[in-house]
Amino acid sequence: GAVVSQHPSRVICKSGTSVKIECRSLDFQATTMFWYRQFPKQSLMLMATSNEGSKATYEQGVEKDKFLINHASLTLSTLTVTSAHPEDSSFYICSARLTGEWDGYTFGSGTRLTVV
Amino acid sequence: AQSVTQLGSHVSVSEGALVLLRCNYSSSVPPYLFWYVQYPNQGLQLLLKYTSAATLVKGINGFEAEFKKSETSFHLTKPSAHMSDAAEYFCAVSEIFAGANNLFFGTGTRLTVIP
Repeated sequence: GAVVSQHPSRVICKSGTSVKIECRSLDFQATTMFWYRQFPKQSLMLMATSNEGSKATYEQGVEKDKFLINHASLTLSTLTVTSAHPEDSSFYICSARLTGEWDGYTFGSGTRLTVV
Repeated sequence: AQSVTQLGSHVSVSEGALVLLRCNYSSSVPPYLFWYVQYPNQGLQLLLKYTSAATLVKGINGFEAEFKKSETSFHLTKPSAHMSDAAEYFCAVSEIFAGANNLFFGTGTRLTVIP
């Protein structure tokens, strides 16, 4: 089946630095990818929707200058957390929608970001 | 607008007992409904989905769910719980006829299986 590879699985960074998270679709093209954030013991909150070749659409309350999303190809979307702060520590998950299949959502394995 | 309500943030069952995780949805158009399972520090794995075909949907690992339009529900069940079923479960909804629509998730239910 369709697989999304998300890296890194865990990252620890110093406050003020930037971190890039990658999601790659394997063996399929993902025109649309979604980025979610999950706080401990809570649900997934959609941060933004990215479409290949265009600007991402951010949900209300999400700082687009802080969470930079790039979807430059049909198989790769990246989320960069800029000038990270401890409150950005969270679990980030990407999801890709299979082209031509409305219900084909597949999720990455998540990235645990810890900002110290 | 869509929304999902999962009643009970934490459910405990004995091994071998019936599992029932509740999900109610709200949608202005016919919905697509999903159940996902999440193990610690991992992404989400699709258990099953309702796509306007059969109302009783069978998924992986012995789980099934029934779409009841009159009750706006999509409860997840499994006849006999196994220790490996302990995880977080999320119900999600998406609208039919949507374009690149995303999923709306419930708040999740943590299932504990007691030996």
